[in-house]
Amino acid sequence: KNQVEQSPQSLIILEGKNCTLQCNYTVSPFSNLRWYKQDTGRGPVSLTIMTFSENTKSNGRYTATLDADTKQSSLHITASQLSDSASYICVVSARGTGGFKTIFGAGTRLFVKA
Amino acid sequence: EAGVTQFPSHSVIEKGQTVTLRCDPISGHDNLYWYRRVMGKEIKFLLHFVKESKQDESGMPNNRFLAERTGGTYSTLKVQPAELEDSGVYFCASSLGLAGGSDEQYFGPGTRLTVT
Repeated sequence: KNQVEQSPQSLIILEGKNCTLQCNYTVSPFSNLRWYKQDTGRGPVSLTIMTFSENTKSNGRYTATLDADTKQSSLHITASQLSDSASYICVVSARGTGGFKTIFGAGTRLFVKA
Repeated sequence: EAGVTQFPSHSVIEKGQTVTLRCDPISGHDNLYWYRRVMGKEIKFLLHFVKESKQDESGMPNNRFLAERTGGTYSTLKVQPAELEDSGVYFCASSLGLAGGSDEQYFGPGTRLTVT
């Protein structure tokens, strides 16, 4: 069964600190993995997209890693800011006969406190 | 450039009524997706249009849901008749549709549907 598991469910950190969010997946055959940031009341916004051959990708203070062998990904946030408070969603796409299947994780809720 | 827009932002209807959600994708995006998040659950795929054609509608929960994309521009998602379990946030996303399926999807703000 195609699944995407994220941990932790929620996280509280102090402004300026770093944090790492985890994503494990069982999606097959793997096509790509995306990390999204979703602010409350808004739609998800793409942070990174990685294909099978990519093992790291950065977008400002966000750095995503991908280990396709262990089917794990992480999102590292450096020097957190109050505006980083949001849900972070890991999304994995699998290539199927009818196109691509997209499976979302439940997200990690990040709270950055002053 | 305008992003993906959705209308309405909120809708409250009674069980048995009909509701139509609208999505306007980014101009020039051939791919349009509908997703749904029900309370406490992860976002789930509903269906995918390429221009006016349904590429994949495997995520549509049942025949009470009907999606259309006439002319390959905006799309509507109709729920008829609505049931309590249809409550949730419905997201629309669009993308250019690059080869390999790794193109970026741009999400709208969602429509929050409450069925009472």
